[in-house]
This record gives sequence, structure tokens and C-alpha cells, in this order.
Amino acid sequence: QKEVEQNSGPLSVPEGAIASLNCTYSDRGSQSFFWYRQYSGKSPELIMSIYSNGDKEDGRFTAQLNKASQYVSLLIRDSQPSDSATYLCAVNGRGAGGTSYGKLTFGQGTILTVHP
Amino acid sequence: EAQVTQNPRYLITVTGKKLTVTCSQNMNHEYMSWYRQDPGLGLRQIYYSMNVEVTDKGDVPEGYKVSRKEKRNFPLILESPSPNQTSLYFCASIPRRGGLDNEQFFGPGTRLTVL
Repeated sequence: QKEVEQNSGPLSVPEGAIASLNCTYSDRGSQSFFWYRQYSGKSPELIMSIYSNGDKEDGRFTAQLNKASQYVSLLIRDSQPSDSATYLCAVNGRGAGGTSYGKLTFGQGTILTVHP
Repeated sequence: EAQVTQNPRYLITVTGKKLTVTCSQNMNHEYMSWYRQDPGLGLRQIYYSMNVEVTDKGDVPEGYKVSRKEKRNFPLILESPSPNQTSLYFCASIPRRGGLDNEQFFGPGTRLTVL
């Protein structure tokens, strides 16, 4: 099993719909969870971070975390064509030296296309 | 402007010819990291550094070296590049805010091709 696994894509939704992106992780000790957006040919940019169970909302984005199920998701409401990108789930982990700060494991990414 | 810079942005080289990709940040961040990105595999961490002279292996360190002699710089060294190291490389830096917040600020990427 991969350490961080995202739902297979690509995902295509119509403009105005809700896009749902899912991610599961294997390390129960993980404490920090991130969603990055990456446009083609560009570097990843952080859109959401979440640390506690439950929902966290920021504008059209809602991150959901369930540590018992080892599951984190991202909902994008009122999807726009400009949301079309690859979405990367990232989870902090433990490095070889036992430290966790700065050690991030990414999922393989989900390509989202929002069509007009 | 706060940023992470990488050089070169594009590089085509041949097998076995040593190369260095530089990474520099002007935000006084303590932590820095290198990733490679390959289709279908996402971003995979190569090495990261918690401070000057302190580094740790990521998930795919084989074939790479790093050094952190100054806080602002974190070069990635390929002593003997091979074609399987053809990839898109990203450097990132992380402020030490304490707690769980470890947002990474990414550089623009370096596309490396090893023939």
C-alpha cells in the first residue's frame, strides 16, 4: 500500500458543480495534512492545511480530516474552469532520523478538469 | 520579494557528468527540501535539511547528495547522473513556526534530462 494514495483521476466536473478529491494515508502518527494545487508546468502552491478532525473551510474550499479512518478530502464548491489543475495531497511523516518536521509525503495527484 | 530560486531551470546533460542544481531562499527559513516529480508518481522527497549542517534522507535519496553550509542555500548534487534521474526537480523551504504548521514554499522547478 502506498503511504499516501489519492483517488484515481482524471476527474471532470461541469462549471458550478462540487469537485470532491480524496486521499488516504497509512501512517497513523501523521499530524499535518495539506492540499496543494499545481498548474501544468508550474510549482505546487498550498491551498489548504488541516491538523484536527473535522472540517476546515476557506472560501470555496473545504478540507475534511478523519484520523480514525486515515482519510482527508478536499471539496471545491462552485467549481470554475480556473480550478482545472492537478491537486496534490501531502502528509507529514517521519524521516530516517525520527524527525517529522519538513518530511512530507505526497500522493500521486488527481487531475481535475472543470468544463464550461 | 520573498522567493525560492533554482538554477538552472533547464538542463540537458550526459550520463556520468557531475552536475549541481542550486537552490536559494531569501526568507531566512530553517528548513529546506528537494523533491523530484515524475508522471504518475507525484512528488517524492529526496533530501531535506533542518538547519545548517543538518540533513536527512527523504524517500528517494539514492544517487543524490546535498549540503547545507549556509542557511540560504541547499544545492543538490548528482555525482554521476543516469537516465533514470531525468525528472522535474523542486526545491522548497519551510519557516520554523512551531506546532504543526510546516507549509512548504516551492521554487520554480528544474527540468533535468540525462542522455
